[in-house]
Amino acid sequence: AQSVSQHNHHVILSEAASLELGCNYSYGGTVNLFWYVQYPGQHLQLLLKYFSGDPLVKGIKGFEAEFIKSKFSFNLRKPSVQWSDTAEYFCAVMNDYKLSFGAGTTVTVRA
Amino acid sequence: DVKVTQSSRYLVKRTGEKVFLECVQDMDHENMFWYRQDPGLGLRLIYFSYDVKMKEKGDIPEGYSVSREKKERFSLILESASTNQTSMYLCASSPTSGLYNEQFFGPGTRLTVL
Repeated sequence: AQSVSQHNHHVILSEAASLELGCNYSYGGTVNLFWYVQYPGQHLQLLLKYFSGDPLVKGIKGFEAEFIKSKFSFNLRKPSVQWSDTAEYFCAVMNDYKLSFGAGTTVTVRA
Repeated sequence: DVKVTQSSRYLVKRTGEKVFLECVQDMDHENMFWYRQDPGLGLRLIYFSYDVKMKEKGDIPEGYSVSREKKERFSLILESASTNQTSMYLCASSPTSGLYNEQFFGPGTRLTVL
């Protein structure tokens, strides 16, 4: 199975701070990459996805992610977080019809 | 909007019981998935199905089985529940086109096995 690593288990930051969450995967072939978010008490929902083309992808709520093939990475960024970004974030990689998830990063934004 | 519903939000069962978790999607998606979510482990794929009556093992199928008799419904079965199956179970569906598409998730069922 694909291995997906998320670098941080828990990130705590203040409003307006910048956020970057790391994600690395193990497979060297063609992959499709996703970031999902789970707000407290809500469904898992898609933030953004990369299939091909421009390696810098923009998602909902001001998030973006950069695919760097040489580093097997797909890091998530947001320039200025809000309290409402408090959530758990999951990186996921799809190949061979299977979606493999990282362990998740809990982000706590303090007002 | 895609809607994926799961039969229960919370379920408490005893060791050895047979447990059925039901999932229904209303968007005519071909593909359906069952995951379990555990702290520090993320989501792990148990089984998936890309068509009616078709099923494929995921990464952790042991102790589970599935059933897909209708396109919109995908059931996860724990033949004899054990305490290590206490977890959050998430169902997802996605449209076809080679399965390389966004998966839409249900709200989850938190199962406790005593």
